[in-house]
Amino acid sequence: GNSVTQMEGPVTLSEEAFLTINCTYTATGYPSLFWYVQYPGEGLQLLLKATKADDKGSNKGFEATYRKETTSFHLEKGSVQVSDSAVYFCALRINSGGSNYKLTFGKGTLLTVNP
Amino acid sequence: DTAVSQTPKYLVTQMGNDKSIKCEQNLGHDTMYWYKQDSKKFLKIMFSYNNKELIINETVPNRFSPKSPDKAHLNLHINSLELGDSAVYFCASSQPTGGAGAFFGQGTRLTVV
Repeated sequence: GNSVTQMEGPVTLSEEAFLTINCTYTATGYPSLFWYVQYPGEGLQLLLKATKADDKGSNKGFEATYRKETTSFHLEKGSVQVSDSAVYFCALRINSGGSNYKLTFGKGTLLTVNP
Repeated sequence: DTAVSQTPKYLVTQMGNDKSIKCEQNLGHDTMYWYKQDSKKFLKIMFSYNNKELIINETVPNRFSPKSPDKAHLNLHINSLELGDSAVYFCASSQPTGGAGAFFGQGTRLTVV
């Protein structure tokens, strides 16, 4: 089956620190990969995505590169801000068949950024 | 304008009651979903509909019955509520293509007492 594994949290950083949140996946088929962010008390927002190998998704200073050889999609940001404090979810979606209709999520990683 | 809106935002009810959560999207998407988020933030898909047709039912108890009157709406009705149903329920929509991300509603926090 399809699954997503994220690094366990919580992750606590100081402002302007470098962020990496690891994400690896297993998939039967060719997945698209996503990072979602959930701020406290809110729904999930799509942060970035990549639809094929070697694609790099980027948004708001965050980046992630689709690595087929290592089945990974690690999230990075060079300098985090307090406002980046949230839960981050890695997710995949298979590009064919009935699995088109399902996003599979990792367990989420809580990031806290201190001033 | 809110892209995916669900009501109510909070729902507190007693065990054994029946309740409904409504969801509407104005994005013109063909596919809608219900996800359940537990207290540890884990997200699990419950149902997926495409053009009003049920595509995915992830072994959800039959006390949960989704209804899609049209492709812009996907409501969730829950019968005989149990304590374990307490969670945040998210509605989402997307186009039915692998590369399309999903748009989520703000969530409904259901508390069963």
